[in-house]
Amino acid sequence: DIQMTQSPSSLSASVGDRVTITCQASHDINKSLNWYQQKSGKAPKLLIYEAANLEPGVPSRFSGSGSGTHFTFTISSLQPEDVATYYCHQYDYPPYSFGQGTKLEIK
Amino acid sequence: EVQLVESGGGLAKPGGSLRLSCGASGFTFSNAWMTWVRQAPGKGLEWVGRIKTNSFGGRTDYAAPVKGRLTISRDDSKNTLYLQMKSLKTEDTGVYYCTTDPSSGFDYWGQGALVTVSS
Repeated sequence: DIQMTQSPSSLSASVGDRVTITCQASHDINKSLNWYQQKSGKAPKLLIYEAANLEPGVPSRFSGSGSGTHFTFTISSLQPEDVATYYCHQYDYPPYSFGQGTKLEIK
Repeated sequence: EVQLVESGGGLAKPGGSLRLSCGASGFTFSNAWMTWVRQAPGKGLEWVGRIKTNSFGGRTDYAAPVKGRLTISRDDSKNTLYLQMKSLKTEDTGVYYCTTDPSSGFDYWGQGALVTVSS
């Protein structure tokens, strides 16, 4: 089974800061990785698909990169509405798996 | 407008059973691989399992913690996805989301159904 190691588990940053989250896969998953944002009490929302593609309607300050086993998610300029928990999700081969999540807060 | 609406959540005793349903509309359900994802209170997202379309034999795959106890099925004539849950454990407590499989090329989620397993 493929394990996803996401870091950090929590992050506090200031408005306007650049924020980076990483996910490491235990096996090569090509680009079969999505990034989700989940706000309190809501269903997850897709931000980035296939590692680096911005979902239509998602602000361009969100971006993703990587392939194989190492992936990065970046918010170029943090906004107050970005407070949420972020998850990576591999779907290369079942059982699929999620990273542990990164709780993002504003300083 | 795309909608996925879960129903059937509630309280069950350990060892008991429950069936969740997920009604789909606004997209061609029969062409979509579907997935269940759950989230224990205060915890992260956990993939439960998926079902392929009938053109792929309706094949199912499951996460290890639920294999043999949870069963995913679909009724394309009713545009409905099911999650039959038996031999429930307290650790099955959480919100269960119905979602399209990432391999489908689109990403839709339901609002979630709360399942509580407690004596």
